[in-house]
Amino acid sequence: DAGITQSPRYKITETGRQVTLMCHQTWSHSYMFWYRQDLGHGLRLIYYSAAADITDKGEVPDGYVVSRSKTENFPLTLESATRSQTSVYFCASSESGLNQPQHFGDGTRLSIL
Amino acid sequence: GQQLNQSPQSMFIQEGEDVSMNCTSSSIFNTWLWYKQDPGEGPVLLIALYKAGELTSNGRLTAQFGITRKDSFLNISASIPSDVGIYFCAGQYNYGQNFVFGPGTRLSVLP
Repeated sequence: DAGITQSPRYKITETGRQVTLMCHQTWSHSYMFWYRQDLGHGLRLIYYSAAADITDKGEVPDGYVVSRSKTENFPLTLESATRSQTSVYFCASSESGLNQPQHFGDGTRLSIL
Repeated sequence: GQQLNQSPQSMFIQEGEDVSMNCTSSSIFNTWLWYKQDPGEGPVLLIALYKAGELTSNGRLTAQFGITRKDSFLNISASIPSDVGIYFCAGQYNYGQNFVFGPGTRLSVLP
């Protein structure tokens, strides 16, 4: 039971570069989420998706792009990375709704120099 | 938007002691979740609460949905070293909105 996996686990890149973080889940959950975790802010929602081809903005969407062509994958792209996007990024999924508990991956630690 | 406060921010306890922490909001929530995060890993769901006054246990962990619906409590009995980590609460204001996460309580257990 692989659950939800994120890749890469660690990434270092430079400002202005494009970087994509991958998220894959094997539960066939409808909903998937991307959060960033920063000291003093807890978990903040970037984007979420209710199903394939349906995405919505969260609390902090600026500078990020998501897509969901397949139910099991929900990649997050930083089109032109900035230092303020240095963070730990978590992907999560829930079975069928916003009112259901979310299950998290182990995160991607992203550093932008 | 809705915000959650967690208390205490951090705590150091002796192995074997009981632990209490809470999560409060200025708004009424309809669902509370408690997660634990170990270093280098993602949050893991511990307990979910859906009704005011509900008391739910998971092993040595017990969580309660406050009667006012503005708070929730997590207790850990007879703490052990593997209880170390950050405990997050999450609340849902209404079913059409995502959960809001608290800033976490960092627990350290001294041998």
